Amino acid sequence: AQKVTQAQTEISVVEKEDVTLDCVYETRDTTYYLFWYKQPPSGELVFLIRRNSFDEQNEISGRYSWNFQKSTSSFNFTITASQVVDSAVYFCALSVGEAAGNKLTFGGGTRVLVKP
Amino acid sequence: DTAVSQTPKYLVTQMGNDKSIKCEQNLGHDTMYWYKQDSKKFLKIMFSYNNKELIINETVPNRFSPKSPDKAHLNLHINSLELGDSAVYFCASSQDGSSYNEQFFGPGTRLTVL
Repeated sequence: AQKVTQAQTEISVVEKEDVTLDCVYETRDTTYYLFWYKQPPSGELVFLIRRNSFDEQNEISGRYSWNFQKSTSSFNFTITASQVVDSAVYFCALSVGEAAGNKLTFGGGTRVLVKP
Repeated sequence: DTAVSQTPKYLVTQMGNDKSIKCEQNLGHDTMYWYKQDSKKFLKIMFSYNNKELIINETVPNRFSPKSPDKAHLNLHINSLELGDSAVYFCASSQDGSSYNEQFFGPGTRLTVL
């Protein structure tokens, strides 16, 4: 069975501070994919990034960066120079294997509140 | 153009009623899903359909019955609604059912059972 843990339930920062969201996953599969989704106050779920289990290269995209480490089963996400519009719930998710019928196993989410 | 749409956005009903939520995607995807988000924001898969065929049924009560008339639509019918069914229901789609593909989510339907 798969499991995703986001230990931080809520993080509050002041605008322009950096914020790092932790994600730890569990799976016995050797092929898997990790995702981050954002859910702003308006409620929709927005895809941010995907990583596969064979690609540990970290990535920076604008103010977002991701740190994937298989050795610690972690897939952390950092927002640099946070802005009020970054206020949202962020979900880490996992899908495994190659069979059809992919399902996402979500972590419990981390609420980020960016204050002006 | 809306990629994944759901109707209605809000649904308030009494216990024991039957209700349906509709979902449509115009992305040409083969696979569609229903997820439930509870009051604590926890998201859990309910069903997955690939080309109108049920692939995943994640221990959901029989009162929930998905129907896929074609691969662009996946509707959710709920019989004999209970208080515990109150949640936000999200429809999603992906290009196919492989684990690689990201899922695109609809805006959600907030169901309140009184």
